[in-house]
Amino acid sequence: AQSVTQLDSQVPVFEEAPVELRCNYSSSVSVYLFWYVQYPNQGLQLLLKYLSGSTLVESINGFEAEFNKSQTSFHLRKPSVHISDTAEYFCAVSDPVGAQKLVFGQGTRLTINP
Amino acid sequence: DTAVSQTPKYLVTQMGNDKSIKCEQNLGHDTMYWYKQDSKKFLKIMFSYNNKELIINETVPNRFSPKSPDKAHLNLHINSLELGDSAVYFCASSQVWSSGTEQYFGPGTRLTVT
Repeated sequence: AQSVTQLDSQVPVFEEAPVELRCNYSSSVSVYLFWYVQYPNQGLQLLLKYLSGSTLVESINGFEAEFNKSQTSFHLRKPSVHISDTAEYFCAVSDPVGAQKLVFGQGTRLTINP
Repeated sequence: DTAVSQTPKYLVTQMGNDKSIKCEQNLGHDTMYWYKQDSKKFLKIMFSYNNKELIINETVPNRFSPKSPDKAHLNLHINSLELGDSAVYFCASSQVWSSGTEQYFGPGTRLTVT
C-alpha cells in the first residue's frame, strides 16, 4: 500500500522568504508524484507533477519540486513567496498503472506574513 | 467552460435524510472519482468509475452509493445521513491509460449534517 507523509502541518513564512514543504512517500512500486494546492474555500488545483524523466519539475508560478528516489521524497520549494501563495498544499502519489487513485498526505498550510 | 462541476455547492440537512450530489465533467475523460475531505482537511478516495464501471470501492459505508449514468457523470447518493458524514466531497476526473494522468477536481460540495 502507498502512503504519503507531509512532515509539517503548518509553515509560516515572511513574504519574499524562501520556503520548503516536505513530502515523503512509501510505495513498493514506482509512483507518479503530485503537488496540489487548495486556496481557501476552493477545490484542488494541480501545481506540478513528476511522472518520469528529469527529477526536477517546475510550475508556472515559481514553485519547483525534486523527486529523490533514494530518499523517497518530493519536497516542494519556492525561492521567494508572495501573499497570494497562502493556501493548503497537498502532496499525493498514484500508481502509474491501473485506476491511478491519488493517495494524499495530510496537507501543509502555508501562511505568508507581510 | 467549467471542466468539472458539482451541485450543490453547499448542502445542509438533518440526520436520517437521503441526499444526492451530482458531478459532471466536460473534458472527455474516461474515469471519475469521489474524494472525501474531513474537518482536518484530510483527503481520501471513496470511489472511482472507468467508462461507467466501478473500479475503486474503498472501505465506505454502504449508505454511500455512486451512480454513473454515462462517462461524463458520476453522482453520489447518501442514505440515512449521519453526523460523521459532514465533510467536503470532491469529484475529480482523469484520462487513465494515457500519459499525463492529471486529475481535475471540482469545486467541492460542503455537506453539513445536523
